[in-house]
Amino acid sequence: AQSVTQLDSHVSVSEGTPVLLRCNYSSSYSPSLFWYVQHPNKGLQLLLKYTSAATLVKGINGFEAEFKKSETSFHLTKPSAHMSDAAEYFCVVSNTDKLIFGTGTRLQVFP
Amino acid sequence: GAGVSQSPRYKVAKRGQDVALRCDPISGHVSLFWYQQALGQGPEFLTYFQNEAQLDKSGLPSDRFFAERPEGSVSTLKIQRTQQEDSAVYLCASSSYIPGLVDEQYFGPGTRLTVT
Repeated sequence: AQSVTQLDSHVSVSEGTPVLLRCNYSSSYSPSLFWYVQHPNKGLQLLLKYTSAATLVKGINGFEAEFKKSETSFHLTKPSAHMSDAAEYFCVVSNTDKLIFGTGTRLQVFP
Repeated sequence: GAGVSQSPRYKVAKRGQDVALRCDPISGHVSLFWYQQALGQGPEFLTYFQNEAQLDKSGLPSDRFFAERPEGSVSTLKIQRTQQEDSAVYLCASSSYIPGLVDEQYFGPGTRLTVT
């Protein structure tokens, strides 16, 4: 069975400081991993995806994530937070067609 | 181009009523998915179509839930005899189909169902 665990339900940062959202995965197979973002009253949007190519994956809006098989982790980072980054972030795993979501991390950005 | 659209955006139903939720996928997308997102939770898979064929319905929580995609485009999720625990946001997603690859799923804005 596949699953993801998002280690923090809430993360608060100041604008301009780094962002780290943590995710560990469990999979019997070589997984495909994603990060999605959900802004209030908006649909889910793909930030980035890992599909067994380069382990450091760059996404939209300056986000990136590193796949670490030895640690079974896929943490999301951004060097400098912006107010518009405030949203709910979901780590997602899949090896078939359906997506399995984590419980989400709410990112707050303070001025 | 147009994204995934869902209607209605909001639906209030009295317990015991039947509801029908519609999804219009991106034109040409072979794969269509339904997810249920309870308040404060991540989306959970309900069912998957490839064209008109329902290939996976393992996530449907009970036989009150039924989904169809008769012409391989628009899909409808029907919930019979709604219960309060059915209150959630129902998300539809579509993607192209590439054998052996997991392609990006594009999500609609969701339908928020409230059962009173």
